Amino acid sequence: KAGVTQTPRYLIKTRGQQVTLSCSPISGHRSVSWYQQTPGQGLQFLFEYFSETQRNKGNFPGRFSGRQFSNSRSEMNVSTLELGDSALYLCASSYRAIRPGVAYEQYFGPGTRLTVT
Amino acid sequence: AQTVTQSQPEMSVQEAETVTLSCTYDTSESDYYLFWYKQPPSRQMILVIRQEAYKQQNATENRFSVNFQKAAKSFSLKISDSQLGDAAMYFCAYLENTGNQFYFGTGTSLTVIP
Repeated sequence: KAGVTQTPRYLIKTRGQQVTLSCSPISGHRSVSWYQQTPGQGLQFLFEYFSETQRNKGNFPGRFSGRQFSNSRSEMNVSTLELGDSALYLCASSYRAIRPGVAYEQYFGPGTRLTVT
Repeated sequence: AQTVTQSQPEMSVQEAETVTLSCTYDTSESDYYLFWYKQPPSRQMILVIRQEAYKQQNATENRFSVNFQKAAKSFSLKISDSQLGDAAMYFCAYLENTGNQFYFGTGTSLTVIP
């Protein structure tokens, strides 16, 4: 089974621009979560999408947005880029637990390294 | 929001020796799940081990085992017979029983010394 794929792997943008990152989950996984990883901060949760709907959202400004398509592929958009947005953006997919007592681990993609200059 | 704390930003271990990585978490829930993820320099994060809070028995996966102390809200990872390939960033993660949002610690960078 193919793993989680993310494109592009590397991206360089300038302040004020916007960027779109893409994530294709493992086949059969309908939950996609996005994380921002920076040194010393670990993984900061951005949001989770399931069935084309945002289900959970982290504490990030509205410049960060996302969407999910009917094939479960997800995109993340960051508008008006700031220097502090430079980070590794990770996407993770999983099945989604629909009842207590069931939990599914997340499978991560290789990440997109975004550099804002 | 739940809090996951990894108090050891960096650790090192001699090859073939044993090392323990610490993790504590804060929750008022009684049912939840805990995970250790490994992120090698290649950046692909992979699952190492998971523990269900309702299970008293500590999880084990080959050379990896956990010491789960529910009352103390502690979840440490023990790596036995350390190998060069174990060098990576290790993240502890928490998942609520009824949720789908993972909470991650800030990570511990493990160096394996030949």
